[in-house]
Amino acid sequence: DAGITQSPRYKITETGRQVTLMCHQTWSHSYMFWYRQDLGHGLRLIYYSAAADITDKGEVPDGYVVSRSKTENFPLTLESATRSQTSVYFCASSESTTNSPLHFGNGTRLTVT
Amino acid sequence: LAKTTQPISMDSYEGQEVNITCSHNNIATNDYITWYQQFPSQGPRFIIQGYKTKVTNEVASLFIPADRKSSTLSLPRVSLSDTAVYYCLVGGPSNDYKLSFGAGTTVTVRA
Repeated sequence: DAGITQSPRYKITETGRQVTLMCHQTWSHSYMFWYRQDLGHGLRLIYYSAAADITDKGEVPDGYVVSRSKTENFPLTLESATRSQTSVYFCASSESTTNSPLHFGNGTRLTVT
Repeated sequence: LAKTTQPISMDSYEGQEVNITCSHNNIATNDYITWYQQFPSQGPRFIIQGYKTKVTNEVASLFIPADRKSSTLSLPRVSLSDTAVYYCLVGGPSNDYKLSFGAGTTVTVRA
């Protein structure tokens, strides 16, 4: 089915471990985004990508790494997970930044113990 | 970066009209105003977008005054399923399209 899918849906990891969250979209949208959602903060932009091999930092990029070797995939890696990175992570895509709506996945709930 | 301010929460009853006002005093000339809806355990969903005056679709209406320093999302005849968090975003070339969502407005619809 067309759309944007995130995996895993739930993840528990330990402090210091590396973890990668996956995001895949089938629309061939140029732009992809990673947000985190925490109580009291709404959604905050971590990283975004304008096209394959083009990425840029958002509001809260520290501790995260992204890559975009293919248009349809935009994985987010926590290089050494910390408890403060416990959150719900949402991936989104849009046709372009020219005011195109964002299409969100259903999120990954990550718990760092 | 255009900052937005909207009420934390609003309560309503089924069948009523709900109006959520968002303030964005430093909106830039080329910025658009976009509203999203989010249900628990789901990602936000696009509702409506506008630049000026009034925009209407099958879900909502968006009213934007001439000075564009605020906007009002209007949900006609709400039902229990409209209980959600609603986010107002302002963005465009002024912030390089880096959109961040604030805390949003939690709308609770009661029977």
